[in-house]
Amino acid sequence: NAGVTQTPKFRVLKTGQSMTLLCAQDMNHEYMYWYRQDPGMGLRLIHYSVGEGTTAKGEVPDGYNVSRLKKQNFLLGLESAAPSQTSVYFCAAEAGNKRETQYFGPGTRLLVL
Amino acid sequence: RKEVEQDPGPFNVPEGATVAFNCTYSNSASQSFFWYRQDCRKEPKLLMSVYSSGNEDGRFTAQLNRASQYISLLIRDSKLSDSATYLCVVRGSGGSYIPTFGRGTSLIVHP
Repeated sequence: NAGVTQTPKFRVLKTGQSMTLLCAQDMNHEYMYWYRQDPGMGLRLIHYSVGEGTTAKGEVPDGYNVSRLKKQNFLLGLESAAPSQTSVYFCAAEAGNKRETQYFGPGTRLLVL
Repeated sequence: RKEVEQDPGPFNVPEGATVAFNCTYSNSASQSFFWYRQDCRKEPKLLMSVYSSGNEDGRFTAQLNRASQYISLLIRDSKLSDSATYLCVVRGSGGSYIPTFGRGTSLIVHP
């Protein structure tokens, strides 16, 4: 039982390149979230999903797209990376039904040059 | 005013000390409250939920003050291993159940 995993762990991109971050969970949880964490800014919600096939925007969605084609996976895409997207990205899963505990993945460190 | 505010610290305390953090929230309709712990370069993990009646887990005590709209975390007999960033989380603000995180309070416990 791995919980929440994220790939890759670390990536360097050049401005304008694209990439997809993968979040996978084996807990059969309904809700999944993507956050970014920057120094002094705390965790900010990018997008989230309350179930397979559904997604919604969070606080800072611009420049990102997401997909939840399978319940266990939540993908975060950067179509054209910018230096402002240099950050640590965390994925989280949650059972929903107000069980409330979020389980986070180990994070992906992204550097955009 | 931010929805959830925390003093970033750092709080620098000796082993064995008692330390307390507060977290204020702006939306009086908020429903659920939590403290998460985040170690350096690691993911956040739930430390404890905060109930209206207050709750205690070993050396940790969490309390909610709805009238003044803040939650608190008290750590007694601090250990070196308590050094981390403590994140306040509020849910149920603005009609949404999506969680809102504070920026975190850094605690450093020294020998």
